[in-house]
Amino acid sequence: EPEVTQTPSHQVTQMGQEVILRCVPISNHLYFYWYRQILGQKVEFLVSFYNNEISEKSEIFDDQFSVERPDGSNFTLKIRSTKLEDSAMYFCASRGRRAGGRETQYFGPGTRLLVL
Amino acid sequence: AQTVTQSQPEMSVQEAETVTLSCTYDTSENNYYLFWYKQPPSRQMILVIRQEAYKQQNATENRFSVNFQKAAKSFSLKISDSQLGDTAMYFCAFSRTQGGSEKLVFGKGTKLTVNP
Repeated sequence: EPEVTQTPSHQVTQMGQEVILRCVPISNHLYFYWYRQILGQKVEFLVSFYNNEISEKSEIFDDQFSVERPDGSNFTLKIRSTKLEDSAMYFCASRGRRAGGRETQYFGPGTRLLVL
Repeated sequence: AQTVTQSQPEMSVQEAETVTLSCTYDTSENNYYLFWYKQPPSRQMILVIRQEAYKQQNATENRFSVNFQKAAKSFSLKISDSQLGDTAMYFCAFSRTQGGSEKLVFGKGTKLTVNP
């Protein structure tokens, strides 16, 4: 059964450095999302992406964040200058149908980002 | 803005027994979706069950069922014949059906422990 994949699974970076988190959505899905979960807290929406542009973004998604679908398969989240408070689990999701089921969002396994 | 409230931070249940997790939400929309996601210690987000607001019939998926009370804006999850593998965080989530990206809005979660 097709799944959303994310790389890397863990990333440690220094404050102020740029990081790129990568996701490969399920191939026939058209809507893509990034969420984050700070340890011990709820999952928060960051941004949604459709037809090669951002369709909605949250207040968290400021100028330090950007998303891109560079090659028709990968979907990336870039944080330009990381802050300590960016330490979190970042989830990618894609929305569509899988194996004849109903349309819904399917999540990747997450990237655990630690900013030192 | 939509909000999702889970009033039980933690719950426990004995193996093979039944447990109900509570969720309430606030929205002015008439059509929307509601979800329960499971997050085991691996922190992967796994869809458990989904309910369309226009459907009066409660959704069921094997041992998992919901009690959807639209007027009361309540969406509880019942887990029957609890298994040790059900130990996880459970998040209730809401999404609109139109006019946006159908982003998910999550509650803070309920940590469920199934005891042998």
